[in-house]
Amino acid sequence: DGGITQSPKYLFRKEGQNVTLSCEQNLNHDAMYWYRQDPGQGLRLIYYSQIVNDFQKGDIAEGYSVSREKKESFPLTVTSAQKNPTAFYLCASSKGQGRSTEAFFGQGTRLTVV
Amino acid sequence: AQSVAQPEDQVNVAEGNPLTVKCTYSVSGNPYLFWYVQYPNRGLQFLLKYITGDNLVKGSYGFEAEFNKSQTSFHLKKPSALVSDSALYFCALIRAGSYQLTFGKGTKLSVIP
Repeated sequence: DGGITQSPKYLFRKEGQNVTLSCEQNLNHDAMYWYRQDPGQGLRLIYYSQIVNDFQKGDIAEGYSVSREKKESFPLTVTSAQKNPTAFYLCASSKGQGRSTEAFFGQGTRLTVV
Repeated sequence: AQSVAQPEDQVNVAEGNPLTVKCTYSVSGNPYLFWYVQYPNRGLQFLLKYITGDNLVKGSYGFEAEFNKSQTSFHLKKPSALVSDSALYFCALIRAGSYQLTFGKGTKLSVIP
């Protein structure tokens, strides 16, 4: 089955630790996205990537880092610099060409600081 | 800068009645507009999109949306609501020439039996 897979589904982080959220897609999509979802605030864009080895900051990139070494993979690292990381994180991908194609979403990772 | 506004945090409608979920946008240039639905603790599912052409677009599960350029709106509609339509709905846009996909804050739709 084609799709986009996020892992783990639940993640617990101690204060001061870095953690990495995985996002893999087998849809042959060029564009990939990371969003953070908090209650009442909708989805806020963290980073996006149009092509391998290239990515851009979104609206709330501080305290996060990404890489795009392979077309299929777009991991997100939540660093210790992110002061309030508890949230639901969503990864998405789209074909990219023409920018008019819809995005496909993973099932999300819920990160909790303990 | 581009933005999406969903003015209602929650919409309640009786089963069988028509429903409308509102969305307005602000962008320079031509927008590509999308509606997504989210069920609890899940990712988002695509419902429909407006790219160009007919202002009334039809999508999944009987939903439709009307693009109004003069009012910069893209309201989601359904003629007869089902209890199973209860979910969180998001409006989103991409500006033509950009890859940045921007979402509204979401509207919680509750369909009352």
